[in-house]
Amino acid sequence: DQQVKQNSPSLSVQEGRISILNCDYTNSMFDYFLWYKKYPAEGPTFLISISSIKDKNEDGRFTVFLNKSAKHLSLHIVPSQPGDSAVYFCAASSYGSSNTGKLIFGQGTTLQVKP
Amino acid sequence: NAGVTQTPKFQVLKTGQSMTLQCAQDMNHEYMSWYRQDPGMGLRLIHYSVGAGITDQGEVPNGYNVSRSTTEDFPLRLLSAAPSQTSVYFCASSPEGTGLNEQFFGPGTRLTVL
Repeated sequence: DQQVKQNSPSLSVQEGRISILNCDYTNSMFDYFLWYKKYPAEGPTFLISISSIKDKNEDGRFTVFLNKSAKHLSLHIVPSQPGDSAVYFCAASSYGSSNTGKLIFGQGTTLQVKP
Repeated sequence: NAGVTQTPKFQVLKTGQSMTLQCAQDMNHEYMSWYRQDPGMGLRLIHYSVGAGITDQGEVPNGYNVSRSTTEDFPLRLLSAAPSQTSVYFCASSPEGTGLNEQFFGPGTRLTVL
């Protein structure tokens, strides 16, 4: 049972436009959500996170939106740059109930930003 | 700082062989974990540790052992390799206070079991 789902395996956008990556989850106990970015032959790197007490968190060109009622979060990248081309993983944890906050990852979405 | 280092980068094993994937971090992080990445599956937690001498199981622990004798090192042992363990393995660490959330990942080990 996939608790965190990224239903779009790939996304292609033009440089300068907005990239929107989506993620759905099923476990209502999740209270912390993160996005990781991964380039080929490298490990994932932490990008941005959001607590369930918020509905938006912004860091430069990256904004994460959380809709708890729909159990949905999205990552917006504006403006998109060719260097953003990578695999993006959504992840969730029930950090509030456990000090370890074990992450459950989605399948990943490959973003291609065309020059 | 080297961050999180993993050795080897690539490994080919025969079914039934055993081996140890090495992981080390020089950031004095309390939390360390092992993940495997398979196509279409994202990353799945194998084992994790919240400090030296303390380990616990993740989502997919069967066929793997870990130990944490020092803060820096967290090796992953495959006891008797099986083709289903063909995967890319990532080690990660995170400082106390962030749990296993905002982790620093190593570059990965690509393992093939024939």
